[in-house]
Amino acid sequence: AQRVTQPEKLLSVFKGAPVELKCNYSYSGSPELFWYVQYSRQRLQLLLRHISRESIKGFTADLNKGETSFHLKKPFAQEEDSAMYYCALSNTNAGKSTFGDGTTLTVKP
Amino acid sequence: DTGVSQNPRHKITKRGQNVTFRCDPISEHNRLYWYRQTLGQGPEFLTYFQNEAQLEKSRLLSDRFSAERPKGSFSTLEIQRTEQGDSAMYLCASSGVASGAREQFFGPGTRLTVL
Repeated sequence: AQRVTQPEKLLSVFKGAPVELKCNYSYSGSPELFWYVQYSRQRLQLLLRHISRESIKGFTADLNKGETSFHLKKPFAQEEDSAMYYCALSNTNAGKSTFGDGTTLTVKP
Repeated sequence: DTGVSQNPRHKITKRGQNVTFRCDPISEHNRLYWYRQTLGQGPEFLTYFQNEAQLEKSRLLSDRFSAERPKGSFSTLEIQRTEQGDSAMYLCASSGVASGAREQFFGPGTRLTVL
């Protein structure tokens, strides 16, 4: 069974502080992991995917298969980072995707 | 706008009525997904299509729910005999499988309220 857990519903940091949004998953095969973001009054959109190993808007995420984690990190948070963040897992054939329940990030000035 | 579109954006209906939602994916995308999202939760997978073939359905999708993608382009999701528990945001997403792209592009959603 696929499962994605985001343990923090809410996360609040001050501008310029580091931020880490946690994501743990369970999946028996080789998963593809994603972070999606939803800004206020906008649709859900991809932030980054593990396969690309890229940094988007200063965010990075490393897939740790040993710990089955895919935490999202940014060294210096900005106010415009305030949004809802969802971790998602896609199965091997790009069919069913499982989302976590999301973390609301608030970056205070 | 070449993004995923969904219609209607909002639907209010009475319990027991049937409703139908439409999703128009990005034109070159061959995969289309339906999700349901309730307050405080992430999107829950309902079903997905590759071209016109419905390849997987969630156990969440009771027999009152049916989805179609007749020509491999737009898709419809119908809910028969709606119940108050069906109230939710229904999201559609599409993706292209070319070059292994599995990123899903989401529509704005259809918010259903069942009175």
